[in-house]
Amino acid sequence: EVQLVESGGGLVQPGRSLRLSCAASGFTFEDHAMHWVRQAPGRGLEWVSGISWNSDNIGYADSVKGRFTISRDNTKKSLYLQMNSLRAEDTALYYCAKDTGSGYSYGFNRFDYWGQGTLVTVSS
Amino acid sequence: QSVLTQPPSASGTPGQRVTISCSGSISNIGSNTVNWYQQLPGTAPKLLIYSSIQRPSGVPDRFSGSKSGTSASLVISGLQSEDEADYYCAAWDDSLNAWVFGGGTKLTVL
Repeated sequence: EVQLVESGGGLVQPGRSLRLSCAASGFTFEDHAMHWVRQAPGRGLEWVSGISWNSDNIGYADSVKGRFTISRDNTKKSLYLQMNSLRAEDTALYYCAKDTGSGYSYGFNRFDYWGQGTLVTVSS
Repeated sequence: QSVLTQPPSASGTPGQRVTISCSGSISNIGSNTVNWYQQLPGTAPKLLIYSSIQRPSGVPDRFSGSKSGTSASLVISGLQSEDEADYYCAAWDDSLNAWVFGGGTKLTVL
């Protein structure tokens, strides 16, 4: 059974940093691209970042480019999101999602499994 | 101001057929396939339709998808109370180099 378990969320002040983690199991992690998708309270889904199977290709939404860094450790079957210079508008539930393919930017792929999310609240 | 445009709400009575639209542009829906996600209240999104028309195993055939040009549609036939959820379309955008989602459609079963 595929499982994605996010952790690392919490309350943080504007301008500070936070690192999210996603522990994967139940599939061959190193074969698949992975993504972070967020959902602000009462709002829709927003893709944040994606990373290819071998970390060679990485992409970010314009809203987080230069502030967030995605990474993965295939030996630990884990995905990470380093979030710096956090803003109030980054407040959201952050989901980790598995891609069906090896690259994060293939338009014929999809996100077939999602974690339950970890909540990030940016407030003073 | 989502890149993909969906109606914010839709409704129907049990047994009815409901259609949810998703409008994009040549750089996203016009060039790539569309995926649909269902988000039941308080839960994570679940893949409902992929490659515009395909259903993952376990998804009832009451759910179907289509795509034409720069628009896509999700059709739910034989509406059931458990279909009450938020529905999102998504596609890769070649110009933005990003995955883009619709704003979501809240489906109410009356």
